[in-house]
Amino acid sequence: GAGVSQSPRYKVAKRGQDVALRCDPISGHVSLFWYQQALGQGPEFLTYFQNEAQLDKSGLPSDRFFAERPEGSVSTLKIQRTQQEDSAVYLCASSQTRTYNEQFFGPGTRLTVL
Amino acid sequence: SQQGEEDPQALSIQEGENATMNCSYKTSINNLQWYRQNSGRGLVHLILIRSNEREKHSGRLRVTLDTSKKSSSLLITASRAADTASYFCATVTEYGNKLVFGAGTILRVKS
Repeated sequence: GAGVSQSPRYKVAKRGQDVALRCDPISGHVSLFWYQQALGQGPEFLTYFQNEAQLDKSGLPSDRFFAERPEGSVSTLKIQRTQQEDSAVYLCASSQTRTYNEQFFGPGTRLTVL
Repeated sequence: SQQGEEDPQALSIQEGENATMNCSYKTSINNLQWYRQNSGRGLVHLILIRSNEREKHSGRLRVTLDTSKKSSSLLITASRAADTASYFCATVTEYGNKLVFGAGTILRVKS
């Protein structure tokens, strides 16, 4: 079946621009996660949704970062007034149940801020 | 910030040899997972070991967990060129759902 998909795969933004990154999780998956992966590092947690509820946003680095999942399926990560330090790969993952299980990752969106 | 550390940072072996990667973490966990990331591809789940388990096998993979030392190891036996990738351990705490990743080990298998 279809896996997690993300779009766009690559995004180049000028500093100060707003960007929106989309994630389509596996159908029926309850949990959805966003991670940020800097070059040469492991992914770092940004935020977590259980259905449409955002239960944990402790990893969002600033109030310029905002995520939503209004109907409990597709999610969007929005970054306002992008800065060079926002350049990274943004990974989305989904999980079938509420807790503790393996996560299925999308291919990521590589964001480059010039 | 990352949960812990993995070593080695990079490992280069010949096809057919075994590869061992180690992971240490800092807090109590519900489970520990290993993921593989190929160049240009997303993360792929390899194996999950729960805090009450000490060893687990899946095909050519063997994972051990020592909760007293807060450490885990991943053994890949009879390595293949296709195993070339970055390998990450990730922990899930007892109180949360998020994965907390280490910095990863870059494995290169030469044919």
